[in-house]
Amino acid sequence: QQPVQSPQAVILREGEDAVINCSSSKALYSVHWYRQKHGEAPVFLMILLKGGEQKGHEKISASFNEKKQQSSLYLTASQLSYSGTYFCGTYSGAGSYQLTFGKGTKLSVIP
Amino acid sequence: DSGVTQTPKHLITATGQRVTLRCSPRSGDLSVYWYQQSLDQGLQFLIQYYNGEERAKGNILERFSAQQFPDLHSELNLSSLELGDSALYFCASSGGVGTEAFFGQGTRLTVV
Repeated sequence: QQPVQSPQAVILREGEDAVINCSSSKALYSVHWYRQKHGEAPVFLMILLKGGEQKGHEKISASFNEKKQQSSLYLTASQLSYSGTYFCGTYSGAGSYQLTFGKGTKLSVIP
Repeated sequence: DSGVTQTPKHLITATGQRVTLRCSPRSGDLSVYWYQQSLDQGLQFLIQYYNGEERAKGNILERFSAQQFPDLHSELNLSSLELGDSALYFCASSGGVGTEAFFGQGTRLTVV
């Protein structure tokens, strides 16, 4: 089942903050965040695991609410290089090997 | 560089033809995933293999098939190609469920 991302798009000025949300109707084992620039491959940002473990870039922060099956990605003091489409991907638990992605959130950072 | 290698980078072919896309995972990764991304769309999950075995299947067309070989590289075969099959095809690899997945640079397929 595809996770739902919000907002679909957001425009920021440099230095502003943004939050991107990801939710699922199924219990989640892990949430993965990626950023993709146009025509390029998605780049790994962060993984959040059930139980609280996180791995990822130092400058990226995210949260994972296991009970609500929700995750949020926090982008602070945005830079022009943050522009791109952000995808969350989810594994829904033991026995599921399908890493399913949401439709993406397009972030544009302007000077 | 993610360590995942996809070949070819670009492919132009005619309708009705068959093509094979290749993916070499990162060293040590046992899982390979295939995704299709049409113009400005999301990542549609096609299929996943773990250590040679198919473990998950998404909305993959019957005209498409895949396999993972003993050396862990994977191939995605697309046959009877249609104009609508034009897309970016990505593979990703990971150590398994719950570990980070890294994407290759993709194969851009154009069907004319």
